[in-house]
Amino acid sequence: GENVEQHPSTLSVQEGDSAVIKCTYSDSASNYFPWYKQELGKRPQLIIDIRSNVGEKKDQRIAVTLNKTAKHFSLHITETQPEDSAVYFCAEHLIFGKGTKLSVKP
Amino acid sequence: GAGVSQSPSNKVTEKGKDVELRCDPISGHTALYWYRQSLGQGLEFLIYFQGNSAPDKSGLPSDRFSAERTGGSVSTLTIQRTQQEDSAVYLCASSLAQGRKQPQHFGDGTRLSIL
Repeated sequence: GENVEQHPSTLSVQEGDSAVIKCTYSDSASNYFPWYKQELGKRPQLIIDIRSNVGEKKDQRIAVTLNKTAKHFSLHITETQPEDSAVYFCAEHLIFGKGTKLSVKP
Repeated sequence: GAGVSQSPSNKVTEKGKDVELRCDPISGHTALYWYRQSLGQGLEFLIYFQGNSAPDKSGLPSDRFSAERTGGSVSTLTIQRTQQEDSAVYLCASSLAQGRKQPQHFGDGTRLSIL
């Protein structure tokens, strides 16, 4: 079955610094890897995803990298801003990681 | 177009009562998911519907929980004989066909409080 481990559980950075969150998955047949952002009291929303035919995908300040050999994928946020403060979740189909609470200090 | 709609947005009920939570997915989305999120916690998978296939019920925590999806659209999650530990936000999501490769679109959730 699917199992997702996400690290770290909390992350505090200064505004302008970079943040990296990593997820490890279990099913080698998995081929779709999304990241969701959940602001306090709001619904989770997709911010970026990657399919297994590419190793990296960028969208402005966010990027996702995939290492299929090691079975992990990472979210990278550059030039962090206070509005990036939220809980971030990775997912492998039906199973979500436990989340990373990112705090960006102004 | 309209997003995933859930009702009610809040539900307060007494322990032992039954509750029904409703989810209207995005039109054309054949995959529908239910999750439970306790305060400050992650998303706990409950049940997954994909088209006309038998639902994946592997996440339901007990036989007090059940869900239906009528006509391939609207879904209802039913919790019988509610317990205090059932208090949580229940989130519904939908996605296009081939759900394993498509992003999930979430509703705002139903906040369930069991007194």
